[in-house]
Amino acid sequence: EAGVTQFPSHSVIEKGQTVTLRCDPISGHDNLYWYRRVMGKEIKFLLHFVKESKQDESGMPNNRFLAERTGGTYSTLKVQPAELEDSGVYFCATDQTGLNTEAFFGQGTRLTVV
Amino acid sequence: AQSVTQLDSQVPVFEEAPVELRCNYSSSVSVYLFWYVQYPNQGLQLLLKYLSGSTLVKGINGFEAEFNKSQTSFHLRKPSVHISDTAEYFCAVSNTDKLIFGTGTRLQVFP
Repeated sequence: EAGVTQFPSHSVIEKGQTVTLRCDPISGHDNLYWYRRVMGKEIKFLLHFVKESKQDESGMPNNRFLAERTGGTYSTLKVQPAELEDSGVYFCATDQTGLNTEAFFGQGTRLTVV
Repeated sequence: AQSVTQLDSQVPVFEEAPVELRCNYSSSVSVYLFWYVQYPNQGLQLLLKYLSGSTLVKGINGFEAEFNKSQTSFHLRKPSVHISDTAEYFCAVSNTDKLIFGTGTRLQVFP
């Protein structure tokens, strides 16, 4: 069974550019989460989808971040325009139950904004 | 609000020595507790979890953790570490809606 897949694995962009991160969940997992780890700090929650609906987006930093999950399958997280402080590792996780009792994480996308 | 504290950012240890990685949490409600591990160049992997029942939880790769409600702790232990245990370890709590992580502890095992 395929796990959670994220791509790209690395992205280096200039300040002001746009970047789109993608997450492919485990098949059948309706709950999809985005997290971010800024260097040296804790992994922080960004948002939670249940199928295609945003259940909780309280962790989104600002309106430069846009997450979508059209059709309830894969999800994208777009940063436009990117700022230096957006650098970090973005993780996607999926969970079948929505209770976070067994969340499966992708390998993460390391974003560097220069 | 919930929070997780991992006081040790780095723990160096020699191979075959025991290790304890500390985790304390704060929450006004019952929570689930987790330890995740991130090996170099890999994603987060669930090591073990406490949902209910026995306070001593056994996980993969010989790790175990003990839930202590009175001390609000969930320390991770292994009696004898291997070089391959070198990784970053994250403690997390959840009251079901999201995971809240600590800052991570980097375990470095030396030969």
